[in-house]
Amino acid sequence: DAKTTQPNSMESNEEEPVHLPCNHSTISGTDYIHWYRQLPSQGPEYVIHGLTSNVNNRMASLAIAEDRKSSTLILHRATLRDAAVYYCTPSINAGGTSYGKLTFGQGTILTVHP
Amino acid sequence: KAGVTQTPRYLIKTRGQQVTLSCSPISGHRSVSWYQQTPGQGLQFLFEYFSETQRNKGNFPGRFSGRQFSNSRSEMNVSTLELGDSALYLCASSRTGTGNYGYTFGSGTRLTVV
Repeated sequence: DAKTTQPNSMESNEEEPVHLPCNHSTISGTDYIHWYRQLPSQGPEYVIHGLTSNVNNRMASLAIAEDRKSSTLILHRATLRDAAVYYCTPSINAGGTSYGKLTFGQGTILTVHP
Repeated sequence: KAGVTQTPRYLIKTRGQQVTLSCSPISGHRSVSWYQQTPGQGLQFLFEYFSETQRNKGNFPGRFSGRQFSNSRSEMNVSTLELGDSALYLCASSRTGTGNYGYTFGSGTRLTVV
């Protein structure tokens, strides 16, 4: 399985930008990078995903390094509701043993201070 | 639109019993994946179904099984329950299960084995 490395925890202040890094040096050229976040006792929530170029949606932006070995999830203005565990997970695009599978690491616990 | 619905939300079972969990995906999503989440092991992939066929399976014993119906609804079954099966079981639906679309997770079923 492709490996990802994320900091165990990060802190931010409300209304400030947050940059959550992820290293995924073992993914291949056709693997998507997905980000999810999870609150206690809830299922993970989709945040954003991308392949090569940077991606934006109403929740966040995803900046993917040119060599694709790392990516950064950007929350432009953190709110208290953004406090969660954030997971960076590759979605291997190779058929067979990769269908429907996301490989989750331990994620980054984001704390947002008022 | 309606999200992914998992039933029941909570279950308490006795060792040796079997249990069936249900997942209704988002309309139009044909891929359903199942995950087990525990404090020690994190989120682990169980299996994935697409158009009533299991396409991928994680590293779990044969006591864990599943199926998918023609309307894409899916069930997973755990037979001969063990204490270690206590976990949050999550299902996720996707249009294709190939990573080019995001996955939508349900809120999960909390299974406690006593």
